Amino acid sequence: KAGVTQTPRYLIKTRGQQVTLSCSPISGHRSVSWYQQTPGQGLQFLFEYFSETQRNKGNFPGRFSGRQFSNSRSEMNVSTLELGDSALYLCASSFRGGEAKNIQYFGAGTRLSVL
Amino acid sequence: SQQGEEDPQALSIQEGENATMNCSYKTSINNLQWYRQNSGRGLVHLILIRSNEREKHSGRLRVTLDTSKKSSSLLITASRAADTASYFCATDGEGTSYGKLTFGQGTILTVHP
Repeated sequence: KAGVTQTPRYLIKTRGQQVTLSCSPISGHRSVSWYQQTPGQGLQFLFEYFSETQRNKGNFPGRFSGRQFSNSRSEMNVSTLELGDSALYLCASSFRGGEAKNIQYFGAGTRLSVL
Repeated sequence: SQQGEEDPQALSIQEGENATMNCSYKTSINNLQWYRQNSGRGLVHLILIRSNEREKHSGRLRVTLDTSKKSSSLLITASRAADTASYFCATDGEGTSYGKLTFGQGTILTVHP
């Protein structure tokens, strides 16, 4: 079974631009969560999508948005990039049920650098 | 904001020694998990302990949970150089829907061959 795939692996953008990151979950997983990881703030939850609906949201400004498609693939978008958005963005998928309650499987991440 | 803190922030040991990492959290939880991250890549799930469990084993891993103190510990026995990584505890709070984990700050473990 293929793991969680995130594309692209690396991105360099300038302030004010926008960016879209993509995540393909493990087959059969319908929940996709996004996290931002920085040296200063650590791992912070952005949002979670399940059945194409955002179910949970972290404390991030509205510049951070996401969506999920019918095949469970998810994208997150950051508009009007700021220097502080430079981070490793991690996507995780989960089965959302049974004994596997909330065990999350992470992709390798997208490293975003904002210049 | 982070749920809690991990202690120590960094740990350096020799191969064959045991490594113990501690995690504290702030709110009531359903489950507590431990994850490993190698060199800024994705996290790998190691073990999950439910709020009504006190201890759990998986291979060389032993996790304890004390809900009265809101703390957990991860013990790695007979460590190997390949165990070098960052280790994070993660909680899903009581009443929180699936998909949201709150992570600790992590412990950087270095195992010297």
